[in-house]
Amino acid sequence: NAGVTQTPKFQVLKTGQSMTLQCAQDMNHEYMSWYRQDPGMGLRLIHYSVGAGITDQGEVPNGYNVSRSTTEDFPLRLLSAAPSQTSVYFCASSRGLAGVSNTGELFFGEGSRLTVL
Amino acid sequence: QKEVEQDPGPLSVPEGAIVSLNCTYSNSAFQYFMWYRQYSRKGPELLMYTYSSGNKEDGRFTAQVDKSSKYISLFIRDSQPSDSATYLCAMSVPGANSKLTFGKGITLSVRP
Repeated sequence: NAGVTQTPKFQVLKTGQSMTLQCAQDMNHEYMSWYRQDPGMGLRLIHYSVGAGITDQGEVPNGYNVSRSTTEDFPLRLLSAAPSQTSVYFCASSRGLAGVSNTGELFFGEGSRLTVL
Repeated sequence: QKEVEQDPGPLSVPEGAIVSLNCTYSNSAFQYFMWYRQYSRKGPELLMYTYSSGNKEDGRFTAQVDKSSKYISLFIRDSQPSDSATYLCAMSVPGANSKLTFGKGITLSVRP
């Protein structure tokens, strides 16, 4: 059982370049999300999706784009990379948002380390 | 005031010590309380989860929730070098389709 798979694990970009971080899950989870993790800042939500075709902004969405065409995949696009986007990015999935019988527990990928020069 | 506050650390203890990790929160509607453990260069993984108030024990780990004080704790007994990791608290509101709210995490180092 692979869980949440992120690619690439490492990437170096030059300012202004674009790229896509891939995320796939095999748990049939409806909810998927992207976080960035920076020292002293904790996990910050970038974008999330509650199902195929539905996406919404999180806490720090600027400079990022997402789409959700299938239940399994939730790619994150950096449109024009900036040094401030140097970070570790985590994709996470869940059965759904917290509800009466669902804690909202998130399952995380191993992370993608991005450096923007 | 952020919804969830966590001691920033880092924390360094000798092997065998009892460790207490804490978070405070401001939203009284939180009912699900979780602790995630994140090893270096890995993603966070759920360590323990409690619902509402009380204690929950799992081996050397005890999670405690005090809703009257809006305070949660994770205790680690007989700490081991393998417990060295970053610990993040997280909480959510049931029945409100809410997302998890995370603390910033504290890095624990257990010295052999």
